[in-house]
Amino acid sequence: EPEVTQTPSHQVTQMGQEVILRCVPISNHLYFYWYRQILGQKVEFLVSFYNNEISEKSEIFDDQFSVERPDGSNFTLKIRSTKLEDSAMYFCASSDRDFPKEEQYFGPGTRLTVT
Amino acid sequence: DAKTTQPPSMDCAEGRAANLPCNHSTISGNEYVYWYRQIHSQGPQYIIHGLKNNETNEMASLIITEDRKSSTLILPHATLRDTAVYYCIVRVDTGNQFYFGTGTSLTVIP
Repeated sequence: EPEVTQTPSHQVTQMGQEVILRCVPISNHLYFYWYRQILGQKVEFLVSFYNNEISEKSEIFDDQFSVERPDGSNFTLKIRSTKLEDSAMYFCASSDRDFPKEEQYFGPGTRLTVT
Repeated sequence: DAKTTQPPSMDCAEGRAANLPCNHSTISGNEYVYWYRQIHSQGPQYIIHGLKNNETNEMASLIITEDRKSSTLILPHATLRDTAVYYCIVRVDTGNQFYFGTGTSLTVIP
């Protein structure tokens, strides 16, 4: 069964450093998403992406964040200058359809630890 | 952003049906009800969604009341692997955002 993959599984970085989290969505999917989950808290929407542009973003997704689909398979989330509060599990998701019929398939997540 | 209310936790005996309730009394006519689950710290997993008719797939059934103010997710024969946090989500009528609440932590007991 096709699945969303994410690398790395765990990333440790120092405050102020840039990080890039990578995702390979399911191959025929067109809609891509990033979510985060701070330990013990809710899953929070960050951004959705379609047709090479951001379609929606939350208040969390400020100027420190950016997303890119650099080629036909990868979807990346960049955090420009990490802060301690960026420590969280980051989930990528993809879908082959838009609302209301979409089913989002989530990856296993990347645990980001900012020290 | 919390548009749904779920009990924080439930237990279910293995092999029995698990019935997970959700209240969404402010739902509007074009909003769908989605169910996802999260096993331990894995990524959320899609289960089912519906608008007003009852829905069934290989994982579960979704029963939506006629007034659409509440719904129930039914796992017909719960297994230990169904132990997870179950999220009932009412999709906002514009945009692509899912608002995950705190969900119901279901424990399937042997």
